[in-house]
Amino acid sequence: DTAVSQTPKYLVTQMGNDKSIKCEQNLGHDTMYWYKQDSKKFLKIMFSYNNKELIINETVPNRFSPKSPDKAHLNLHINSLELGDSAVYFCASSPGTSGGELFFGEGSRLTVL
Amino acid sequence: LAKTTQPISMDSYEGQEVNITCSHNNIATNDYITWYQQFPSQGPRFIIQGYKTKVTNEVASLFIPADRKSSTLSLPRVSLSDTAVYYCLVGDSWNAGNMLTFGGGTRLMVKP
Repeated sequence: DTAVSQTPKYLVTQMGNDKSIKCEQNLGHDTMYWYKQDSKKFLKIMFSYNNKELIINETVPNRFSPKSPDKAHLNLHINSLELGDSAVYFCASSPGTSGGELFFGEGSRLTVL
Repeated sequence: LAKTTQPISMDSYEGQEVNITCSHNNIATNDYITWYQQFPSQGPRFIIQGYKTKVTNEVASLFIPADRKSSTLSLPRVSLSDTAVYYCLVGDSWNAGNMLTFGGGTRLMVKP
């Protein structure tokens, strides 16, 4: 069983479209995250949820909206996609919010044409 | 926020020991040092974490000098499968955002 799973793994779409990436973790963790990895391999935090509540919201355009229906799921919805949104998006989870190990999913590669 | 500096890339050969150093001159008292490994098309994977002196697990060792302004990840007898990007992070709490952004990492290439 995959600990942190994301779908879809690949997503190709046109500018202006709206798309969603889903994430689920079966580790029983309280905290989930969305990261964006750009072409230079920098991994930047976008959002963090703890028990379904938003605790970190970095400087991300409001076209990006995370949703956590329960603590095992954190989905990312992106409106009006732009070319610069092309990247690999990683979901991660951790047991709590104070240090410790992050468990990452396999990533979702988004390509905006 | 403690910033980290690592070499962009390193080359090694199978069977050698590889040491990757990370500089973090403004590390805070409560900060831990954590290393992650990322293979192509995969998410990063936790390798090791330490606060001071030396930490060893089945995968690697982490050496931290007394001033804690740098740390060295040591990979014993690397194999081709150790080819990956290695990230050094410094911080004390996910909540405070200290450990949340990974830098560019060090791209390790292990050659036969």
